[in-house]
Amino acid sequence: EVQLVESGGGLVQPGRSLRLSCAASGFTFDDYAMHWVRQAPGKGLEWVSGISWNSGSIHYADSVKGRFTISRDNAKNSLYLQMNSLRAEDTALYYCVKARAYSVYDAFDIWGQGTMVTVSS
Amino acid sequence: EIVLTQSPGTLSLSPGERATLSCRASQSVTSSYLAWYQQKPGQAPRLLIYGASSRATGIPDRFSGSGSGTDFTLTISRLEPEDFAVYYCQQYGSPWTFGQGTKVEIK
Repeated sequence: EVQLVESGGGLVQPGRSLRLSCAASGFTFDDYAMHWVRQAPGKGLEWVSGISWNSGSIHYADSVKGRFTISRDNAKNSLYLQMNSLRAEDTALYYCVKARAYSVYDAFDIWGQGTMVTVSS
Repeated sequence: EIVLTQSPGTLSLSPGERATLSCRASQSVTSSYLAWYQQKPGQAPRLLIYGASSRATGIPDRFSGSGSGTDFTLTISRLEPEDFAVYYCQQYGSPWTFGQGTKVEIK
């Protein structure tokens, strides 16, 4: 079964850091690009960051550029999101998402269940 | 950045009726890099359509996508009870953007 399981979310104070992880199983992880997408409570979907199969192509939304870092470890079938200088507006459910192909420029065919990040003092 | 505007915001229909959802882009979408997703309460989104008109694996043929350039449409030919949900369009050129969603509710 193809599966993505996120972890690492929680309550954090503004200005602090958090690292999200995503464990992939059921498919050949290093054949596919991966992304992070977030959804604030009661709101729509917002793309956060994407990384190609070999980490050669990395992209960020303007809202997180310079604060968040995406990375992957193909040997561990894992995707990460290092989030620094967190703000209240980063509060959201963060989804780990698999692209349909090795390129970042493809639709998102598998979604995890998400991990909640709450930024509050 | 390409802004996607979905209409209507809410669609009130009965089971068995046809649903037509619109997604309009602020500029032409590259190579029809346009997808549609369905999201039910408490669940992650599910890919329905990619490349503007290709159904994803396991998606029933009552779902169809069409359009090109700046105007795209998702059609559900006959609504089933499980189709009442929120639908998002997305363009997957950099930066990736989503529409604000259309809620299909039971009339």
